[in-house]
Amino acid sequence: DAGVIQSPRHEVTEMGQEVTLRCKPISGHNSLFWYRQTMMRGLELLIYFNNNVPIDDSGMPEDRFSAKMPNASFSTLKIQPSEPRDSAVYFCASSTQGDTEAFFGQGTRLTVV
Amino acid sequence: AQSVTQPDIHITVSEGASLELRCNYSYGATPYLFWYVQSPGQGLQLLLKYFSGDTLVQGIKGFEAEFKRSQSSFNLRKPSVHWSDAAEYFCAVGPRGNTPLVFGKGTRLSVIA
Repeated sequence: DAGVIQSPRHEVTEMGQEVTLRCKPISGHNSLFWYRQTMMRGLELLIYFNNNVPIDDSGMPEDRFSAKMPNASFSTLKIQPSEPRDSAVYFCASSTQGDTEAFFGQGTRLTVV
Repeated sequence: AQSVTQPDIHITVSEGASLELRCNYSYGATPYLFWYVQSPGQGLQLLLKYFSGDTLVQGIKGFEAEFKRSQSSFNLRKPSVHWSDAAEYFCAVGPRGNTPLVFGKGTRLSVIA
């Protein structure tokens, strides 16, 4: 299995631009989680989906952030417009029903200048 | 509310020395507990997990952890540290099912010769 695949690995963008981060979960997993990692706040849950349905988006910092999961094999996290304080590493993780272990992707390092 | 505390932000040990990383959790029910490791520029990799049964669990790379309910702790140990163990270590807690884990802030391990 290829594991959780995230793209791009690195993204540098200018303030005000739209940024889209992508995630392909492990085949057969029905839960998907988006986390953000910063030095100050550590790993924070942004949003998670069960069976493609958003369950809890209370961690999404602002309306500038949105996430979708159109099918079981793909999810996006979009930031529009981006700001320098959004600079962080964004992780996607997936898991299966009854198996609470989450498998993480390599992350996307986002830098907003 | 669930929470995880890792009291040590940074630990430095000599190669060959023993290691113990501390983790305390707050959780209202029987927790599922995890230790993940993150090497620089990489995603999180599961070291070990505790669901039930024997309170001493073995993981990959020679790591083990002991669940102590009375102390709400799940400390990670290794008898002899190798230079390749230098990384960031995260303790996490979660409920049963497809719900997100809550992570501690992490402990950065440095290994010196």
